[in-house]
Amino acid sequence: AQSVTQLDSQVPVFEEAPVELRCNYSSSVSVYLFWYVQYPNQGLQLLLKYLSGSTLVKGINGFEAEFNKSQTSFHLRKPSVHISDTAEYFCAVTPSGGYQKVTFGTGTKLQVIP
Amino acid sequence: GAGVSQSPSNKVTEKGKDVELRCDPISGHTALYWYRQSLGQGLEFLIYFQGNSAPDKSGLPSDRFSAERTGGSVSTLTIQRTQQEDSAVYLCASSQGQGMDGYTFGSGTRLTVV
Repeated sequence: AQSVTQLDSQVPVFEEAPVELRCNYSSSVSVYLFWYVQYPNQGLQLLLKYLSGSTLVKGINGFEAEFNKSQTSFHLRKPSVHISDTAEYFCAVTPSGGYQKVTFGTGTKLQVIP
Repeated sequence: GAGVSQSPSNKVTEKGKDVELRCDPISGHTALYWYRQSLGQGLEFLIYFQGNSAPDKSGLPSDRFSAERTGGSVSTLTIQRTQQEDSAVYLCASSQGQGMDGYTFGSGTRLTVV
């Protein structure tokens, strides 16, 4: 079985500063990795995904993430955050190849401070 | 439809009553998923549909929970004899195929059992 750990439950950051949201996963097989964002009272929206190939993936809203197999990590980064980035961010993992349920982390609340 | 639609958006029910939550996925999406999101926790997988069949219902927490999908489209999650611990946001998502492109989530149904 796979698991996801998001160590930071909350991350405060000043507007226009860079941010990194950490995600570590555990799996005995190769995986697909995802980051989702959830704005208040809304469902989750896909930010980006890693399936294979380049380990640096770019997503919407200026976010990017880097897959590091040796460290089993998939940290999310943005060089300069905006107030509108205030939301909860979820990392998710699923074994590659065929259907396997997606396992989500517990989320990280990003609070952008003006 | 243009997105995943869930109804009702909010539901308050008395302990012991039955509730039905509805999900209308994106047209053409063959896969449909139900997750539960409790305060301070991540998303808990409940059930996966491929077409009208449910090959993975391993996440249903008890026999009070059941779900069906008809016509390869609308799904209903039923909770019988609701308990206070059932209070949560119930999220529905759909995807093409087996979800390598990620899921599209609805806005959820917030269930409160009093």
